[in-house]
Amino acid sequence: EAQVTQNPRYLITVTGKKLTVTCSQNMNHEYMSWYRQDPGLGLRQIYYSMNVEVTDKGDVPEGYKVSRKEKRNFPLILESPSPNQTSLYFCASSFGGPDSPLHFGNGTRLTVT
Amino acid sequence: DQQVKQNSPSLSVQEGRISILNCDYTNSMFDYFLWYKKYPAEGPTFLISISSIKDKNEDGRFTVFLNKSAKHLSLHIVPSQPGDSAVYFCAAIFSSGSARQLTFGSGTQLTVLP
Repeated sequence: EAQVTQNPRYLITVTGKKLTVTCSQNMNHEYMSWYRQDPGLGLRQIYYSMNVEVTDKGDVPEGYKVSRKEKRNFPLILESPSPNQTSLYFCASSFGGPDSPLHFGNGTRLTVT
Repeated sequence: DQQVKQNSPSLSVQEGRISILNCDYTNSMFDYFLWYKKYPAEGPTFLISISSIKDKNEDGRFTVFLNKSAKHLSLHIVPSQPGDSAVYFCAAIFSSGSARQLTFGSGTQLTVLP
């Protein structure tokens, strides 16, 4: 089944403790991206990747890192999480870029205390 | 400053009637627009899109209209069904150098009443 898989679905952590949210897609998509969803703000792009080893900042990249060492994986890294990074995170992928329909994962609910 | 605005956080419609979801944008460089639908505990799913060279695109019960002069986008759902109850996000894309930048609106919760 074609899908984007995020793990974990739920995560509670403390300020400053490094964490990684994994994202994997099995559709051989070139484009992958991360978003956070906050009430009243919709989906805001954190980082995106057009292909392996090619990543770029979205609208809200501060406090986040990504890597794209393989086509299928696009992990989101929070080196030193803070409470303002408490949010619902989505990973997405598509064939040719954001003009193509994005396939989203089911989300990761992160709480930083 | 939000470049893509969905000014109605929520909308309720009776089953069988038309649902109209609106989206306004400020950046005249946007050249492609999309609508996504999101159910609780799931990721958004693509619904329909439109290029700026068109003013209408239809797919079954869903039609998207684009008014470039007004910088306004709307999604019509006819007839509305209870299963259409979800959050709808509009999104817009423009080219920035070699990159394609995607911006989402804040979403509208549609409730279709049986």
